[in-house]
Amino acid sequence: DAGITQSPRHKVTETGTPVTLRCHQTENHRYMYWYRQDPGHGLRLIHYSYGVKDTDKGEVSDGYSVSRSKTEDFLLTLESATSSQTSVYFCAAGFGQNNSPLHFGNGTRLTVT
Amino acid sequence: AQSVAQPEDQVNVAEGNPLTVKCTYSVSGNPYLFWYVQYPNRGLQFLLKYITGDNLVKGSYGFEAEFNKSQTSFHLKKPSALVSDSALYFCAVSPLSGSARQLTFGSGTQLTVLP
Repeated sequence: DAGITQSPRHKVTETGTPVTLRCHQTENHRYMYWYRQDPGHGLRLIHYSYGVKDTDKGEVSDGYSVSRSKTEDFLLTLESATSSQTSVYFCAAGFGQNNSPLHFGNGTRLTVT
Repeated sequence: AQSVAQPEDQVNVAEGNPLTVKCTYSVSGNPYLFWYVQYPNRGLQFLLKYITGDNLVKGSYGFEAEFNKSQTSFHLKKPSALVSDSALYFCAVSPLSGSARQLTFGSGTQLTVLP
């Protein structure tokens, strides 16, 4: 989606190492989200942010932390990566209203060996 | 707890034929309903949404969806499928009230349109 950039696009890391995924948006959306996509599960919410320094947990937050120091940037950190965190991670942004669609980045494919 | 079911992992249809991708939902109260499409190596793209009013919602690329409250369904349809419609489709539901975390996605349906 135009305006949302994720980096890196692909990453391979070893079990136990820290990993940070980055999301940058240029549309000034107040709300930002991190989802993981796994076969058979659709998208599951990890954490979301409703403003600078304001974050909350989602459905599958264990093992993940987030930070938002600026409106445009939302970071997802795996403090100590595990094989169960191998997944495709998507960042999304929106206005936060339940009737507003989300805008997604193109994803980061993370493999933990 | 709210949920979304997409009962078919895979739907195959011939080009030019009508297509339907099924979605049923469970939510407390009235829902907001969404369809998203995902092409390979890309993020989800918004197709259409139901908020209130007309049960037939029209969206991007000729897609439409029919909201049926009694059957708690929101099936995605297109009168004439194109090969370029081949993609992964997600249905999602959100309650009218509540926080931003309450958007729930289905597990996705892979649509393949055969030439």
